[in-house]
Formats: sequence, structure tokens, C-alpha cells
Amino acid sequence: DGGITQSPKYLFRKEGQNVTLSCEQNLNHDAMYWYRQDPGQGLRLIYYSQIVNDFQKGDIAEGYSVSREKKESFPLTVTSAQKNPTAFYLCASSIDSGSNQPQHFGDGTRLSIL
Amino acid sequence: GENVEQHPSTLSVQEGDSAVIKCTYSDSASNYFPWYKQELGKRPQLIIDIRSNVGEKKDQRIAVTLNKTAKHFSLHITETQPEDSAVYFCAASKGDSSYKLIFGSGTRLLVRP
Repeated sequence: DGGITQSPKYLFRKEGQNVTLSCEQNLNHDAMYWYRQDPGQGLRLIYYSQIVNDFQKGDIAEGYSVSREKKESFPLTVTSAQKNPTAFYLCASSIDSGSNQPQHFGDGTRLSIL
Repeated sequence: GENVEQHPSTLSVQEGDSAVIKCTYSDSASNYFPWYKQELGKRPQLIIDIRSNVGEKKDQRIAVTLNKTAKHFSLHITETQPEDSAVYFCAASKGDSSYKLIFGSGTRLLVRP
């Protein structure tokens, strides 16, 4: 899935700081997703976007924010309100949101607290 | 909402043996069931998926079966190889306007040489 690029690979956050994780795709996919993965657990959905300029909260949206100004980009901001941000963050995309198309993932960003 | 349970959490098999991982889902409206393989520190990779209009799908050494009545689906890996060692996740989706995937908690598969 070389068409989905996440950066940075590793990120450290200081107390009270907001940090932004980048996700870019060149697959011309309409739908994009952000997941959080904690050790020994499955993936939990933070936010998703079915189309440009539209996004919806997932199951664990508190303390996070997103934007979808361009089709290819879906950045995730981890705000200071997220008290336990240490996790592996995965971005995914699918061709559209109209027919259960497979989701393909980026390489992830590992976020830690300083 | 939808809940997906996955068993076992760890599975150790001898090279060449078969491995079976099972998932159950709670929402009978779910109609799409992908399986992902994740190697340590890497991205989940889709290995096979099945839609509710079929009961079984095969791709070489991998197969998935779906029992809609019992609301469970299983991943079968035959002739396991050491490179099959990874964490496997099942997921379910209702195919409604959100197309959200709900993931199981994962199975760590170890194939012993």
C-alpha cells in the first residue's frame, strides 16, 4: 500500500502540546480513516471522512480533531485534552464509502509522551 | 453497537499444521468481513475478505468461512510457514453509510519451525 503515506514515523509530545499527524494518499480514494492501536488490542476508530469537507466522529474521538480540506489529505491533531495519547496511530483509505470496499493502511505513527 | 470477539488471543502451531482463528459478531446487519495480518511494528495488510452473500472464500493456503445464522466467521491457514507468524485481526462492517470497521482484539500466531 505505498499509496498511503503517514508522517512522521515517530512523534513525541510534551505536556499541554498539540501535535499533528500527517496522512496523504495518492490512490484517489474518497474515504479516509484514523485508528488508534494500543498494545494487545484491536484498532479503534477515531474519525473518518467519506468525502472532502466532511468527517464524522468514530468511537474514541474525544481529545482529537481532523480536517479534510483536500481529497488526498486527512491530518489528525492530538490535542492536550487527550490525556493518554501514547499509542500507534494508523491512517487508512478506501475507494469510496458506498460499497464496503477494503480499507488499506499506512505504515503508522508511533506517538509517545516526553 | 457492533461488537466483534476474536479467539484465541494466542496460537502456537508446528510448521506445516493448520491454524484456525474464530470471530463472532453481534450485529446481524453486518455484511462485510475482512481479515488483516500485522507483522510487528508494521501496517495491517488485508489478506482476505468475505461478503455475506457467500459462505466460503479461498486464496491459496488461506480460507475464510462465514456462518450468518450463528454470526461467526473463521480464518483457516493450511500448511503454515514461519512467515505466517504475525498478529491477525478480524473485522466486521454493516455496510451502512459510515462503512465503519469494528475490529477484533487480535490473535498472535506463532509458527514453530
